[in-house]
Order: sequence, then structure tokens, then C-alpha cells
Amino acid sequence: GAVVSQHPSRVICKSGTSVKIECRSLDFQATTMFWYRQFPKKSLMLMATSNEGSKATYEQGVEKDKFLINHASLTLSTLTVTSAHPEDSSFYICSASPNGASYGYTFGSGTRLTVV
Amino acid sequence: GENVEQHPSTLSVQEGDSAVIKCTYSDSASNYFPWYKQELGKGPQLIIDIRSNVGEKKDQRIAVTLNKTAKHFSLHITETQPEDSAVYFCAASIPNAGNMLTFGGGTRLMVKP
Repeated sequence: GAVVSQHPSRVICKSGTSVKIECRSLDFQATTMFWYRQFPKKSLMLMATSNEGSKATYEQGVEKDKFLINHASLTLSTLTVTSAHPEDSSFYICSASPNGASYGYTFGSGTRLTVV
Repeated sequence: GENVEQHPSTLSVQEGDSAVIKCTYSDSASNYFPWYKQELGKGPQLIIDIRSNVGEKKDQRIAVTLNKTAKHFSLHITETQPEDSAVYFCAASIPNAGNMLTFGGGTRLMVKP
């Protein structure tokens, strides 16, 4: 079945530094990937839609200069949290569906970011 | 845009009992309704989904029903086991709207042995 690999699973960084999170589709191509943020005991909040070969589409209220998304290939999207602050600490999750299908979304295992 | 509401937010059942989680959606154009199970510290895992051309779907102990007229869908888990304890999320997707999912608020299911 469709597998999405996300790395790292946990990362601790200092305030002011940048952190890159990778999301890979292992056995399928994904023209579109989605990035979510999840606060403790809350639901998933869509941050942006990552489009292969073009600019990402950000949801209202999400700073595109803060959360840089690159989708350079059909199997890899990256989210870079720039100039991280403690309030950026959260659980970040990516998802994708094979061949851009509107069903069968698979999620990565998530990345726990802690900014100290 | 789409709005998905999920109830209850927490649900505690005895092992062997059934559990039902309900969701409503606002946009009648939604046509895909997945359910995800999320364990602590992990990403959501798809457990069952249904499309709007089907009223019910079953996979072993898990079933989902969809009422398009009323715009609600439900997850049914029978013969619950302690390993079913997790947070469950419903979601809805509108075709040709970027294929993005709108999630419900989640239900924390606790199955007591």
C-alpha cells in the first residue's frame, strides 16, 4: 500500500535556527502533498498544499516566509521552519495520495518539533 | 468552505461493547469521507473510508454509514478491544477543491478491559 515516510520524527532546536522536515512518498508519485500542524489534544490544521514544480498554496493565517515548502520531485516535499520560536513547537504531519487521487490519503508518522 | 463537526469528543466503553462516533458536514458537494485512527505521537492511520455513492461500508469490526441527505456519517466499532483505544478523526473532501481534507475535532476513545 501507499507509504509516506516523514523525517525526522523528533527534533529539538534553538530559537532563531531553521529546521527542515522531509516527507517522502515511498512507493507512489505524489504531485500534491499536504502539510498539517497539530496542537496537543487538537485536530489537524491544514497549513499548506505542496505542489510539485510550483509554489505551495498556504492556508489563511499561515506565514509563507516562516514555513517554506519545497516540492522539487514527485516523491519529496520539504517543510522548513525558519527562524524558529518556541511558539512554533508543535507536531507537524504530511500526507499524500497516489497520483493526486481525491481519496486514499496516507499520512506520515509526524515530526515533533520543540524549540528551546 | 467545508466544516466538519464530530461527536462525542471523548467516549469510554467497556471491552466488547460497541462504539459509535458521529460526524456532520456542511458542504453537500463533499463526496469522500475517511476515518483515521491516531495513536499517541504517531500520524493518523486510515482505517476505513466511504464515498458518496455508497451508503454503508464494512471491514471486519469497523463500519461506516453515510446519510447524504442529512449530511452526516458515522463510525461503528463492534466488539471493542483495548487496542482500539486511540483518537479517531473523521474528515470530508470536496472534489475539484484541491483534494484537501477537512477534519473533525476528534474523539478520544477509551476501551476499558
